Parts: sequence; C-alpha cells; structure tokens
Amino acid sequence: DTEVTQTPKHLVMGMTNKKSLKCEQHMGHRAMYWYKQKAKKPPELMFVYSYEKLSINESVPSRFSPECPNSSLLNLHLHALQPEDSALYLCASSYGRGTEAFFGQGTRLTVV
Amino acid sequence: AQSVTQLGSHVSVSEGALVLLRCNYSSSVPPYLFWYVQYPNQGLQLLLKYTSAATLVKGINGFEAEFKKSETSFHLTKPSAHMSDAAEYFCAVSGYSSASKIIFGSGTRLSIRP
Repeated sequence: DTEVTQTPKHLVMGMTNKKSLKCEQHMGHRAMYWYKQKAKKPPELMFVYSYEKLSINESVPSRFSPECPNSSLLNLHLHALQPEDSALYLCASSYGRGTEAFFGQGTRLTVV
Repeated sequence: AQSVTQLGSHVSVSEGALVLLRCNYSSSVPPYLFWYVQYPNQGLQLLLKYTSAATLVKGINGFEAEFKKSETSFHLTKPSAHMSDAAEYFCAVSGYSSASKIIFGSGTRLSIRP
C-alpha cells in the first residue's frame, strides 16, 4: 500500500466555520507533512511531524492547527479562515531523512 | 538554506522531441534531490530521486536526470515526448535532518505540441 488518503476531496466553508482535513497512511512512515498550494504555484510547506511530534511549523497562522493522533493519521483543524486561505491542501508522508515523500490527492478548500 | 531553481516556467516541445527541464540546487553539501510531476487537480507523483548512489538516475515514464556536482544541476530529460507528458514538473530538495523539509522549485509547465 503506497497510498496517502486525504478526506474530503473538496470542502467549502464559511469564515466562521470550524472544519478538519484528514490524512491517513499505512506505509509505516514516521514523517508526515502538510503543504498548501495556490493555483500555478509550488507547494508551500506548512507543518512537519516526526514520530508524532511537531518538528517544523513554518510560521503558519494559528487558525490552522495540526494534530497527529497516531503514526498513521494527520489532521489539520481549520477555524476562522479567510478567503485567501482557499487553496489545495496536500498531505504527504515519508520515512524521514533524505527519502521521498508520497503525496495524497489533496483537499480543494474554498473559503467563502 | 537549501533551495532549488527551475529555469523556465513554461517549456513547449513537439511530440517525439527531446524534453529538457532544468533544475539547479543551492547547498553546501550534495543534497537529496527529487523530480515530481503534477497533473491538473491532482497530488504530486515522484518521477525519480537522487540520493548519491548514482549520478544518472532513471525514473518512471521514460524520464531520467543527471546529477552534476560541478554545475550544481539536476536536469530532467526524456528522449521522446508524448502527449501524456503534459503536466507541471517540480524539482525538490531535502536535507539531512531526521524530519527534513522538502522544498520545491517554482515549477515548469510542460506543453506538448502535436
């Protein structure tokens, strides 16, 4: 199984809503990532978890809150988002140091 | 800090022609380098990776890349383009820490002319 599964595929939320994005992998990877990708731009790193602990936070606003409940799951909790937060949110996982990341298909988020 | 620079935001080639997508890296030590492809509204798929085992790396779908330390380059090539190769291509770099950042270049959109 070389899949990273993200749900939902599409999400529309209002600026006062609270929602969560979910990501799951069963490859035994110990590093998990959240990226944000705007149209016609490269993915931008948001967070990295290593062995279920947050190791990198790229100065992401607190309205984005990551969570890693166990080694297979990664969540991104969203609250009070702005329209400019609309983007494709990509989850990825890897074995860590120097290894390739496997990406999910992403969640297309629209904030209205 | 490690980074990669992709030269050319858009490359257009004829079907059957050589594909060359350029990537230069900036690092004090040879990094781990990757090429990913992204089709519209999809995630990223790994094409190939360089991890110092060999300088010429072969990947999926007929793509290959050569690591040249003297030129700090890792260009992606394919001898004969196919219509299905039309996509966005990203070069990426990773370092040596246990939970390394994977940082992407700005991307190159590849178009294939019939």
